[in-house]
Amino acid sequence: GAVVSQHPSWVICKSGTSVKIECRSLDFQATTMFWYRQFPKQSLMLMATSNEGSKATYEQGVEKDKFLINHASLTLSTLTVTSAHPEDSSFYICSASGLAGGGVTGELFFGEGSRLTVL
Amino acid sequence: AQSVAQPEDQVNVAEGNPLTVKCTYSVSGNPYLFWYVQYPNRGLQFLLKYITGDNLVKGSYGFEAEFNKSQTSFHLKKPSALVSDSALYFCAVRDPNSGYSTLTFGKGTMLLVSP
Repeated sequence: GAVVSQHPSWVICKSGTSVKIECRSLDFQATTMFWYRQFPKQSLMLMATSNEGSKATYEQGVEKDKFLINHASLTLSTLTVTSAHPEDSSFYICSASGLAGGGVTGELFFGEGSRLTVL
Repeated sequence: AQSVAQPEDQVNVAEGNPLTVKCTYSVSGNPYLFWYVQYPNRGLQFLLKYITGDNLVKGSYGFEAEFNKSQTSFHLKKPSALVSDSALYFCAVRDPNSGYSTLTFGKGTMLLVSP
C-alpha cells in the first residue's frame, strides 16, 4: 500500500510555544489529507480536512486559529499547534487519500502518528 | 449521516481460538466498509475492505470479514488468534457518494489474546 510519513513521532514542548507536525505522502499524490486527534483508549476525532491548494475545512469545535493546517503541495500537509498548552497534549494522526492512493473506493493511508506532550 | 457501532470495548480470547470483533453500520445506499488495526503509539494499519462482490473478504494477517447487508454488519474474524493480534481494532464506513471524504470510525475494540 501507499506510504504516509509523519514527523516528528514524539515532541515535548513548553507551554506557549508552537509545534509543527508534517505529513507526507511518499509514493502518491494526496489530493486530500485528514488530521485526527486521539485521546487515550478512544477513537479518532477528525479535526480537519485539507485539500491541496485550498483552505482546510475544520470540524465543529476545532479552533482553526489554534490548529493551523497547510496543504501546500500534493505530497505535504502540516499541522501547527500554536501557543500550545498542556490540554493540547495528545496523539495526532494524519491520513491521506487520492486518486493514485486508492481513490474513492480506497482505504485511507495513515501516518504513524505524533505524540505531543506540552509541559 | 453514516455511523459505525462497535458494541464491545474489549474482546478476550485465548491463543489458538477463533476470534470475532463485531461491527454494525448505518449508511444510505451501499456502504464501503473497512477494518484497521492500531498498535500502541502507532498509526492505523489497513486490514481489509468491502466495496462490492463476495461478502466474505480476506485481508492481512489471516483476518477476514463478512458483509451482511440484512444485518448491516461487517464482523472481523480470524480462525486462530495469536498473542501478537492483541491491539485496538477499528471498523470504518464511507458513503460511496461522499467522494474523497474521510471514513467514519467506530470507537474501537481492544482485542486481548492470552497465551
